[in-house]
Amino acid sequence: GQNIDQPTEMTATEGAIVQINCTYQTSGFNGLFWYQQHAGEAPTFLSYNVLDGLEEKGRFSSFLSRSKGYSYLLLKELQMKDSASYLCAVVNTGGFKTIFGAGTRLFVKA
Amino acid sequence: DADVTQTPRNRITKTGKRIMLECSQTKGHDRMYWYRQDPGLGLQLIYYSFDVKDINKGEISDGYSVSRQAQAKFSLSLESAIPNQTALYFCATETEYNEQFFGPGTRLTVL
Repeated sequence: GQNIDQPTEMTATEGAIVQINCTYQTSGFNGLFWYQQHAGEAPTFLSYNVLDGLEEKGRFSSFLSRSKGYSYLLLKELQMKDSASYLCAVVNTGGFKTIFGAGTRLFVKA
Repeated sequence: DADVTQTPRNRITKTGKRIMLECSQTKGHDRMYWYRQDPGLGLQLIYYSFDVKDINKGEISDGYSVSRQAQAKFSLSLESAIPNQTALYFCATETEYNEQFFGPGTRLTVL
């Protein structure tokens, strides 16, 4: 079957670093996306990995290991506005193309 | 102006009513999607379309139908709404590299 697992909730402190993990089992692999979604709003693109390794974009970085079916999103210098849900999404080679995880709700406290 | 728009943004309806949710895009993307999102759950795919002549069922298509009137327009219909279809509905477009752009969502309540 196809499955994407992420922690349901995480809490971190303003200014700190947090790592959100994602493990996946899908039929084929054509890339992994991370999206940010604030409550009641639309998801927006954060990062994309298709090859193993780390992709850095400002305060946000994303890592991929295809052999382990594993990715993480790293958020540095946390700000209150980073409180949101973070969705891991895998593009497979099957008919549905993109499969979304349930998301990780991140709470940033002062 | 927003690239992906949805109308209405909020809708309250009664059980058994037929309703239509509309999605328009100015991004020029061929691929379009309809998802529903329930509290604490991820995005569930209802229908998707890779071009005007292509319509495909997603994982939860029962009780829904769609129409792709043009490249820019993709509508979702609930033929006879029921309370468990109360949810937040998102339309999205997709590039050839699989990056998705979402509309602002329609909050639907079925009483």
